[in-house]
Amino acid sequence: QSALTQPASVSGSPGQSITISCTGASSDVGTYDYVSWYQQHPGEAPKVLLYDVTYRPSGVSTRFSGSKSGNTATLTISGLQAADEADYYCCSFAGSSTWVFGGGTKLTVL
Amino acid sequence: QLQLQESGPGLVKPSETLSLTCSVSGESIASNNHYWGWIRQSPGKGLEWIGSIYHSGSTYYDPSLKRRVTISPDASKNEVSLKMRSVTAADTAIYYCARGLITVTRGGLFDLWGQGTLVTVSS
Repeated sequence: QSALTQPASVSGSPGQSITISCTGASSDVGTYDYVSWYQQHPGEAPKVLLYDVTYRPSGVSTRFSGSKSGNTATLTISGLQAADEADYYCCSFAGSSTWVFGGGTKLTVL
Repeated sequence: QLQLQESGPGLVKPSETLSLTCSVSGESIASNNHYWGWIRQSPGKGLEWIGSIYHSGSTYYDPSLKRRVTISPDASKNEVSLKMRSVTAADTAIYYCARGLITVTRGGLFDLWGQGTLVTVSS
């Protein structure tokens, strides 16, 4: 299975909204509504932001939201804050109890 | 409070076997609402799912690593281990242990991660 495709970098100014795309295939993102998103700050372990495309774990800000269309899932961060500067990874179920991650996107808050 | 702690040699020689342990405290690895995964991150690169083990003992691996990897439980120690054979420099990475949560829709997420352990493959 191939890694999901994410833009290498995105940027935005405080208060703005940004989106990060995650493109897979019909064998993963396109078939299963089991896409999760993770945030990773430098030197730290990843932290889950969203799961099953749109659901937020308890404690995650409502500024993070997700959607999916066809083979592409999208993470939207609204009201951008300096603390949002981090790497973001998508992850999709790929059938047969396997998972595949995206290559990651570096978010810069200008 | 649930905690995951990875441990093992930080340096492994090429062609040898990488062996890591994930010690779980605060929950039994036999919980049927959870599974346990290993995920790695090469220096400056993205995350790569290696494999997962379920309470049933069933294991699943990334197809590209399947022939070299074994994940196994030790219920008596509440640990999950990872063995990767015939390593090369390309296996140099931070290795994370993570808890997988099965959602009501039968999906999943890795909701809790260990701090990770760096393994370097070098002679």
